[in-house]
Amino acid sequence: EIVLTQFPATLSLSPGERATLSCRASQSVSSYLAWYQQKPGQAPRLLIHDASNRATGIPARFSGSGSGTDFTLTISSLEPEDFAVYYCQQRSNWPLTFGGGTKVEIK
Amino acid sequence: QLQLQESGPGLVKPSETLSLTCTVSGGSISSSTYYWAWIRQPPGKGLEWIGSVSYSGSTHYNPSLKSRVTMSVDTSKNQFSLKLSSVTAADTAVYYCAKPHLQLVGGAFDIWGPGTMVTVSS
Repeated sequence: EIVLTQFPATLSLSPGERATLSCRASQSVSSYLAWYQQKPGQAPRLLIHDASNRATGIPARFSGSGSGTDFTLTISSLEPEDFAVYYCQQRSNWPLTFGGGTKVEIK
Repeated sequence: QLQLQESGPGLVKPSETLSLTCTVSGGSISSSTYYWAWIRQPPGKGLEWIGSVSYSGSTHYNPSLKSRVTMSVDTSKNQFSLKLSSVTAADTAVYYCAKPHLQLVGGAFDIWGPGTMVTVSS
C-alpha cells in the first residue's frame, strides 16, 4: 500500500498570501496524484488530477506540480473561500490511498 | 449532469451489517466502464477509500476492510451498493459514493454524493 504523507498538518496564512502544500508518497506514483478541497459538512471537491491538471471549473490560482514521490499544491493568492482542508490521493496502485490532509486556516 | 445520492440506515447496531446504496442520475451506470467507489470519513478524521466496483461486477477492495466488504451493481436500478459486515463503533463515519474521472481505472474522483452519516451504536 502506498502511504501519502502531507505536510504541514496546518498552515496559518492571511488572505492574499501564497499557500504551498506538500504531499510525499512512500513509492513512486508517477503523475497519478490528485488534490481535493473539503469544507466542513461538504463532500470533497476535486481540484487537480494527474499532478497538474485542473479539474473543470477550478480557478487558475490553484496549481499542482511534481512527479514520482513529491508533489505540491500551490494556491497563488488565498481567497476567503480557500480556507479549508486539502487532501492528496494516489491512483497509481490499488488500494487507492489518501493523505492525512492539510488544514489551511486564517492567521 | 451526473449526480450521485447515497441512501441507507443512519444507525446500525454493533455486529450487524451496514448496507448503503448509491443512486446514479443523469447517466447510465452501464454505459461506461467506470469503477464506482465508496469512501468514508470518520468524524473529525481523514478520507478512507473502501473499494470500487465496475458495472460488470469487477471489484477492488481496501485490504484493511476486504474480509467484511461486498460491493455490487444493479444496472436495472442504476445503483451500486456497499455492504460492510460485523460493524463496530470504528465504522461510524460519513460514507460517500464517488465517480472517477477516467474509465477503466481508479479515481481521481470528480463527482461525489453529498454523503450519509452512519452511526454504529446499540
